[in-house]
Amino acid sequence: AQSVSQHNHHVILSEAASLELGCNYSYGGTVNLFWYVQYPGQHLQLLLKYFSGDPLVKGIKGFEAEFIKSKFSFNLRKPSVQWSDTAEYFCAVTGQGGKLIFGQGTELSVKP
Amino acid sequence: EAQVTQNPRYLITVTGKKLTVTCSQNMNHEYMSWYRQDPGLGLRQIYYSMNVEVTDKGDVPEGYKVSRKEKRNFPLILESPSPNQTSLYFCASSSRPPRSADTQYFGPGTRLTVL
Repeated sequence: AQSVSQHNHHVILSEAASLELGCNYSYGGTVNLFWYVQYPGQHLQLLLKYFSGDPLVKGIKGFEAEFIKSKFSFNLRKPSVQWSDTAEYFCAVTGQGGKLIFGQGTELSVKP
Repeated sequence: EAQVTQNPRYLITVTGKKLTVTCSQNMNHEYMSWYRQDPGLGLRQIYYSMNVEVTDKGDVPEGYKVSRKEKRNFPLILESPSPNQTSLYFCASSSRPPRSADTQYFGPGTRLTVL
């Protein structure tokens, strides 16, 4: 079965630190990849997505992610985090048919 | 305002008592989906619908039913709820299926407790 793995369950950083959240998926076919974010008390919303072209994609709020097909990875990065980035982050990959498969989520806590 | 709405937002019920969680979107989206979110497991897809009268199983469909009689509505039905269905449920919609890379718009969530 297709799966998505996010290695970091809870990450704690100080403001201005750099961030990298890992995401690996198992499906070997053509995929679309997404990062969604859930801020405290808010709806899940799209951070960025990859579907074709440049494997380095930029999203909102200074986030970016790199698709490395050979490693089945789509890691999320931000050079300098802010307290307002405190949230839960979910990686998602398209599955067969109309499926969308999410990872377990990574909770990010940024200390001011 | 473009949105996905869910009702109720909170529900406490007892084992075996049938319940329905409604989901409605006002964006004329073709694709709709239900997920459950559990600690340490992330979001898991229950059912999805590519269009009216077209539904299919996600990864965890057992114990759930759905229907898509109208484009805007996609109710989730628990015929005989059990305690292991205690969870946070999200409905989502998009113009086209995920393989088209369209953004999913999520509802606010329904927190269900089954005693």
